[in-house]
Amino acid sequence: RKEVEQDPGPFNVPEGATVAFNCTYSNSASQSFFWYRQDCRKEPKLLMSVYSSGNEDGRFTAQLNRASQYISLLIRDSKLSDSATYLCVVNRWGNQFYFGTGTSLTVIP
Amino acid sequence: GAGVSQSPSNKVTEKGKDVELRCDPISGHTALYWYRQSLGQGLEFLIYFQGNSAPDKSGLPSDRFSAERTGGSVSTLTIQRTQQEDSAVYLCASSLVGLPSNEQFFGPGTRLTVL
Repeated sequence: RKEVEQDPGPFNVPEGATVAFNCTYSNSASQSFFWYRQDCRKEPKLLMSVYSSGNEDGRFTAQLNRASQYISLLIRDSKLSDSATYLCVVNRWGNQFYFGTGTSLTVIP
Repeated sequence: GAGVSQSPSNKVTEKGKDVELRCDPISGHTALYWYRQSLGQGLEFLIYFQGNSAPDKSGLPSDRFSAERTGGSVSTLTIQRTQQEDSAVYLCASSLVGLPSNEQFFGPGTRLTVL
């Protein structure tokens, strides 16, 4: 079983829509969680860390559910510029990070 | 300031040849990571450096892969006797302290094609 699993999509949503991605992780000892964004043929960039209490950054909200071992990302009022692949990242121990294969989002005018 | 840089940006080589990929981390970042990303796959962890030492080499896929870091800065990933399955984008990232909560900053990657 993979350490991190994501629905690859693609998600095609109209501008202004709300879209949510989920990601599951296999090891209950996982400690730190992140969402990264990767534009086509570009390097990944940190979107936000995910905290146990949940956290919000503008139109983006991240949630962590340790009991069910999943994290989520909610994007409200989608913009064309949100089109990208969103990578779920989990750190289990030390400095080894596990990346999901990514969820592709296209926001349509 | 300058971000993480990698060279070359593209490398085409023949099967069986050796290649060296270079990473220049952000100045002052003590932690350095190598990943590879194959088409349609997630990032695969290869190796992590804290300073010049590599406490975690568990991700290196075979003994054809090796990496070193000198002066706590530049790192080189070497692939010997390249195989076609080595074709991928090799990404380097650095972070300030190496704690899991620290953001990793990625370089633009080296796209390796083995013919």
